[in-house]
Amino acid sequence: GNSVTQMEGPVTLSEEAFLTINCTYTATGYPSLFWYVQYPGEGLQLLLKATKADDKGSNKGFEATYRKETTSFHLEKGSVQVSDSAVYFCALSATDSNYQLIWGAGTKLIIKP
Amino acid sequence: DVKVTQSSRYLVKRTGEKVFLECVQDMDHENMFWYRQDPGLGLRLIYFSYDVKMKEKGDIPEGYSVSREKKERFSLILESASTNQTSMYLCASSRPGTERSAGYTFGSGTRLTVV
Repeated sequence: GNSVTQMEGPVTLSEEAFLTINCTYTATGYPSLFWYVQYPGEGLQLLLKATKADDKGSNKGFEATYRKETTSFHLEKGSVQVSDSAVYFCALSATDSNYQLIWGAGTKLIIKP
Repeated sequence: DVKVTQSSRYLVKRTGEKVFLECVQDMDHENMFWYRQDPGLGLRLIYFSYDVKMKEKGDIPEGYSVSREKKERFSLILESASTNQTSMYLCASSRPGTERSAGYTFGSGTRLTVV
């Protein structure tokens, strides 16, 4: 079946450090891939997406590249800020999953000044 | 700006009470979803609806029901609240056929505490 695996958190970094949050997936066909962010006390917001292999999604300094050969969609940012502290969710929409998104467990990111 | 609005940010209810969580969207979306979010468990789908008066069970429907009388409104009902239903509840919506390009739009969540 379809599934998403994220690295466990929390991930703790110092301000201006480089960030990578790993996400790998299992899916039939050619899924679309998403990263959502949840700031403390808030709902989820779409951060970035990629709909086909080799696409790169980007937003707010974050990037992720859809790698079909490694079934991965790792989230990266070159220099994190305290305001990036949040929970990050990787998700996919598979061609056979109708309207449902399949979610990773979420990774909590803590940025220390 | 498109919106999914959840009626309450914080709720405190007593064990055994009937609880209604309301969600309204202004995007004319057919699909609506209720999730609960707990530490270490991620998002778990409770119920979803793909049209007015239609509903489908998600992964954890026990102890919950839903109502969708109007397209824009999707209500989650806790028939008899219990302490293990203390959680963050998230509502989302989508337009059929756009999930692969647009994903879902979420509300801000309702933090429910059952005492």
